[in-house]
Amino acid sequence: DAGVIQSPRHEVTEMGQEVTLRCKPISGHNSLFWYRQTMMRGLELLIYFNNNVPIDDSGMPEDRFSAKMPNASFSTLKIQPSEPRDSAVYFCASSFPGTETQYFGPGTRLLVL
Amino acid sequence: DAKTTQPPSMDCAEGRAANLPCNHSTISGNEYVYWYRQIHSQGPQYIIHGLKNNETNEMASLIITEDRKSSTLILPHATLRDTAVYYCIVRVANSGGSNYKLTFGKGTLLTVNP
Repeated sequence: DAGVIQSPRHEVTEMGQEVTLRCKPISGHNSLFWYRQTMMRGLELLIYFNNNVPIDDSGMPEDRFSAKMPNASFSTLKIQPSEPRDSAVYFCASSFPGTETQYFGPGTRLLVL
Repeated sequence: DAKTTQPPSMDCAEGRAANLPCNHSTISGNEYVYWYRQIHSQGPQYIIHGLKNNETNEMASLIITEDRKSSTLILPHATLRDTAVYYCIVRVANSGGSNYKLTFGKGTLLTVNP
C-alpha cells in the first residue's frame, strides 16, 4: 500500500494567491483528517470527514480555509487568499472504520511570502 | 480528554532501551493511552495504545501503572532511526461520534546517540 499521498510536497506562494493542497487517503479508509503543524501551535486538527461528509470543521481558522471530499479517494484543502501566517506543514491522515490508528501522509510544506 | 505531561527531551544510547514516561493523572476509566511519534520532516506515526494491561507489538511495549495515572513507552533496543518526538495522548476509544480527535501536546524529543 502506498500510504496516504499528499501533493504538492512543497509549495511557495505569494500573499493573496490561492493555494490548493491535495490528499489521497489509504484505500478502504473512511475517515480523513486535515492537520496543521507550526512551531508555535504544534499539531492542530483542522477538519474531519467521515464517509466523505465533514463532521467537525471547528478547527478551520477562518473563512479563507475550505475543505472538500468529493469522493472516498480524494480531498482538497484550499486557502484563498493565502497569508504569511498560513505558512505551516499541512498533514492529511486517514483511518479505517472502527480502528484507533490514524495514518498520516508526508505533509505539504507551505510557505506564503 | 485528559491532559498528559511528558519531559521535553531525553537521550538514549544506541542499542539500549529507551523508556519514555508520561503522566496522565486525570485519566478517566474509559480513556486509552496512545503513543505516536514524529520523525523529523515526516508525518506522525502510530506506535501503540492500551487501556489497562501492558501491551507489546513489533515496535514497542507500553507499561501502564495499576492506577493508570502514568505510563511508560519502552523501545527495547533503540536505534538512530528512533530519534523522534514521541507523543503520549489520552482519549476515549474510537466509537464513532466525537471520539476521533487526537490532541497532540509538545511530546518528548528522544535523541538516540551512537
